[in-house]
Amino acid sequence: AQSVAQPEDQVNVAEGNPLTVKCTYSVSGNPYLFWYVQYPNRGLQFLLKYITGDNLVKGSYGFEAEFNKSQTSFHLKKPSALVSDSALYFCAVRDIINTDKLIFGTGTRLQVFP
Amino acid sequence: SAVISQKPSRDICQRGTSLTIQCQVDSQVTMMFWYRQQPGQSLTLIATANQGSEATYESGFVIDKFPISRPNLTFSTLTVSNMSPEDSSIYLCSVALREGTEAFFGQGTRLTVV
Repeated sequence: AQSVAQPEDQVNVAEGNPLTVKCTYSVSGNPYLFWYVQYPNRGLQFLLKYITGDNLVKGSYGFEAEFNKSQTSFHLKKPSALVSDSALYFCAVRDIINTDKLIFGTGTRLQVFP
Repeated sequence: SAVISQKPSRDICQRGTSLTIQCQVDSQVTMMFWYRQQPGQSLTLIATANQGSEATYESGFVIDKFPISRPNLTFSTLTVSNMSPEDSSIYLCSVALREGTEAFFGQGTRLTVV
């Protein structure tokens, strides 16, 4: 079965510092991986995806993610965090074998302190 | 991208009643997905709704409790039937424009059952 894991419930970082939000995956076949962000009282916003190609994927709001096949990871990164990046982040994998549904991780709350 | 209009945005309902949530998409899509999210928690897929066929429900969700309609390629409804306080949650509609690509989400319906 397809799954993703987010080992950290919360990540705290100072503004201006680099941030990393971790995600590992378990899939059958090629992984279709995604990152979403959710601000308070808002729906989910798509940040970036890995389908194929370059292992370093660039997305919205200055975020990027590195696909690592040997470590089965897809960590979200940003070189310099902003207070406005504080939100709930979800890693997800698309189950293309079974109805193409998205399977979400448990989420990581990112808190950026001034 | 896709623009998804979901309504109502929030509601407070009496236990034992039913609420129908509407999801309208600005383009034709094959599959639509309905998720449930407890505040601050991850998303759980309720069902996948294909136009012209019965919805496919995930384990733990049944049609009698969450009937879904999908009358055309741009619209779907989810009904939460015979509600109890345990149904208090955020319900989100989602679509993907093509197989394996990113999904887009509505703003969600925040349901409180009293």
